[in-house]
Amino acid sequence: GENVEQHPSTLSVQEGDSAVIKCTYSDSASNYFPWYKQELGKGPQLIIDIRSNVGEKKDQRIAVTLNKTAKHFSLHITETQPEDSAVYFCAASFKAAGNKLTFGGGTRVLVKP
Amino acid sequence: GAVVSQHPSRVICKSGTSVKIECRSLDFQATTMFWYRQFPKQSLMLMATSNEGSKATYEQGVEKDKFLINHASLTLSTLTVTSAHPEDSSFYICSASTRRGNQPQHFGDGTRLSIL
Repeated sequence: GENVEQHPSTLSVQEGDSAVIKCTYSDSASNYFPWYKQELGKGPQLIIDIRSNVGEKKDQRIAVTLNKTAKHFSLHITETQPEDSAVYFCAASFKAAGNKLTFGGGTRVLVKP
Repeated sequence: GAVVSQHPSRVICKSGTSVKIECRSLDFQATTMFWYRQFPKQSLMLMATSNEGSKATYEQGVEKDKFLINHASLTLSTLTVTSAHPEDSSFYICSASTRRGNQPQHFGDGTRLSIL
């Protein structure tokens, strides 16, 4: 089955700086890659997603890039703010597996004011 | 749109009790819902796929007799943890999609289950 690795596990950045989280996946059939933000005691919230026919997608301060050849994708957060502090999860899925999500291990991001 | 609601948000009960958790899609119909389990400071692990009107599909290692899933309508799936024990204590989260392709998935706010 699919395996998703996520790095780093923790990330501390100064407010206003950029944060980058990287994920790799194992199954070349994966074609959908969402990113979720989870705050303490809450469920994950979808912040951005990308499909395999696109190399990059941006939504305000958040961007995701995908390299299908290398089987890795990254989340970029620019101009970080204290409210960006949370745990971020990447995931991968593909149709033949019923589009079930396989999650990375998560990255705990702390934005210091 | 795409709001998924879970109830209850927190349960504390004695060992041996059965606990039912509800997952509702409030503003859309979901033929498929997913149930996850999350231990502290860990990632989400898929337990089962809940299909409206048919049996759930369980992931390897998940006991179907322990975690009963019912998806009786297009807006409601329930997870019942039967005869719960302390090792069943965890954060249980459901998700659903507005689309037949199950992408993207929207998550509820989870249920924290504590078995004494």
